[in-house]
Amino acid sequence: AQSVTQPDIHITVSEGASLELRCNYSYGATPYLFWYVQSPGQGLQLLLKYFSGDTLVQGIKGFEAEFKRSQSSFNLRKPSVHWSDAAEYFCAVGAGDNQGGKLIFGQGTELSVKP
Amino acid sequence: DAGVTQSPTHLIKTRGQQVTLRCSPISGHKSVSWYQQVLGQGPQFIFQYYEKEERGRGNFPDRFSARQFPNYSSELNVNALLLGDSALYLCASRTLAELTDTQYFGPGTRLTVL
Repeated sequence: AQSVTQPDIHITVSEGASLELRCNYSYGATPYLFWYVQSPGQGLQLLLKYFSGDTLVQGIKGFEAEFKRSQSSFNLRKPSVHWSDAAEYFCAVGAGDNQGGKLIFGQGTELSVKP
Repeated sequence: DAGVTQSPTHLIKTRGQQVTLRCSPISGHKSVSWYQQVLGQGPQFIFQYYEKEERGRGNFPDRFSARQFPNYSSELNVNALLLGDSALYLCASRTLAELTDTQYFGPGTRLTVL
């Protein structure tokens, strides 16, 4: 069965420090992978996505993610965190007949940024 | 262009009641999906609709139903509400022109069941 695991429930980093959020997936075929961000009381905003090609994907707000098939991972990174990055981050895999139509989400990682 | 819109923003119901949530997709988007997000968890897929037909269903009881209208807007209905139905209900739309289309999410409807 398809699944997504985000091992870290909560991470705290200092402003200006680098960030890496972990994501591991289980999916039989080539996965469509996504990272979304959710601010309190808000919906989900797409940060980046991977379908094929270059395994290093650039997204909005200075985020990037690297697809590693051998490790079944799609970790999200940012070189320098800003206080406004504090939010909940969700990794997702596209499943179903059209892959993008049904997203399976991880539990999420809450990011806190300390000054 | 306007994003995905959902109404109402918040809703309070009591157990056993029925509720209808509404979603308007981004203009030009023909597919709508619904997700349930319980506090502290990631969203869970409920339904996908495309061209007024159900194209996918998650592991939810028959109390949950949905439909899509000719203008591609959608309604999610939940009957016989349970306390466990309290959640943020998210609607997402996409064009489905290609398999790699991105889903864009609305702000959600916060349902509280007392």
